[in-house]
Amino acid sequence: QVQLQESGPGLVKPSQTLSLTCVISGDSVSSDSAVWNWIRQSSSRGLEWLGRTYYRSKWYYEYEVSLQSRISINPDTSKNRFSLQLNSVTPEDTAVYYCVRGIMVAGPSPGFDCWGQGTLVTVS
Amino acid sequence: EIVLTQSPGTLSLSPGERAALSCRASQSVGSYYLLWYQQKPGQAPRLLIYGASSRATGIPDRFSGSGSGTDFTLTISRLEPEDFAVYYCLHYGTSPPYIFGQGTKLEIK
Repeated sequence: QVQLQESGPGLVKPSQTLSLTCVISGDSVSSDSAVWNWIRQSSSRGLEWLGRTYYRSKWYYEYEVSLQSRISINPDTSKNRFSLQLNSVTPEDTAVYYCVRGIMVAGPSPGFDCWGQGTLVTVS
Repeated sequence: EIVLTQSPGTLSLSPGERAALSCRASQSVGSYYLLWYQQKPGQAPRLLIYGASSRATGIPDRFSGSGSGTDFTLTISRLEPEDFAVYYCLHYGTSPPYIFGQGTKLEIK
């Protein structure tokens, strides 16, 4: 059974960097069918996909266009985890942040099939 | 970019009743790429339906999905007390960005 667990500071000051880590159990960050995502949720913006990383003979990184200048998602194969860094945060970045497994297959995909419990990050 | 509009915003029903939740896309989407999630307070979203009509593992058969093109529906045939929650549709296409609807809150009448 796949489990994801987020960790990181719950409070970040404006203009600083938000850093979160997601530990994976029951799957591999180097899986050839999974992709590893960060999604956040706030009352003002709803559910918002932030970006992803995945391995298909090499590492790929894709980000929400509006965040590209200040976001980075990186795998750590030695510890089977991946991380999120979001720079220059503002109160608008206050949200619950989820790490999420996505599945990429031909045909109907189960999409985001496994979610961490989420961690609230407040920018203030 | 595709926009998903869910209606109604809030649906008030009683246990035992049938619920029909709508998700309308701003342009035609492949049925393979339309998913439904359930979220209860304090919990992460849970996958219910993928490929517009396929139930995820462990999802009761009172949940069903249908639709094609721009109009999709999640139907709960007979509401159980544990079904009262917020429901989201998602367009999970072949490449990002991945777009969620704004949600429908299903509340007890």
